[in-house]
Amino acid sequence: QKEVEQNSGPLSVPEGAIASLNCTYSDRGSQSFFWYRQYSGKSPELIMFIYSNGDKEDGRFTAQLNKASQYVSLLIRDSQPSDSATYLCAVNSYLNTGTASKLTFGTGTRLQVTL
Amino acid sequence: NAGVTQTPKFQVLKTGQSMTLQCAQDMNHNSMYWYRQDPGMGLRLIYYSASEGTTDKGEVPNGYNVSRLNKREFSLRLESAAPSQTSVYFCASHKGGFGYTFGSGTRLTVV
Repeated sequence: QKEVEQNSGPLSVPEGAIASLNCTYSDRGSQSFFWYRQYSGKSPELIMFIYSNGDKEDGRFTAQLNKASQYVSLLIRDSQPSDSATYLCAVNSYLNTGTASKLTFGTGTRLQVTL
Repeated sequence: NAGVTQTPKFQVLKTGQSMTLQCAQDMNHNSMYWYRQDPGMGLRLIYYSASEGTTDKGEVPNGYNVSRLNKREFSLRLESAAPSQTSVYFCASHKGGFGYTFGSGTRLTVV
């Protein structure tokens, strides 16, 4: 089982619709969760992070976390063509003695917003 | 602030050649990381440095070495490049409690 799993897509949504991106993770000890957006040929860009169960909203983006189900999602409201990109789910976990951490990434979901 | 700066942006190597990828951050972050990204594989951790003077292996360290020169700089060395090391390499830095900041990447092709 992969540590962080995402559907590779593509996920196609019409402009103005809600895009829903999902991610599951295997390490129950994970404490923090991140969503990155990556345009083709570019580096990952942080969109949101969430630590606590529930929802966290930032503009058109809402991250949702359910630790019991080991599930994190990202909702994008009023999707725009400029949102077309690959969305990477990442889970933070501590290494060794707990003084360092690492991000483990899913393979990403490609989102296409159509006109 | 420049954030995380990587050089070079592009490189073509012949099999067996060596090279060093440079990374520097100006955010006073303690932790620095090297990832590689391959199609269908996502980002995989090569090496990391939790703080100045320490380095450790990630998921895919074989064929690489690293140096944490000081708090700002973390370099990745390929001693004898192989075609399997053709990839996009990203350096990242991190301060506890926040997300990781990535450099713009190095696209490496080994022929």
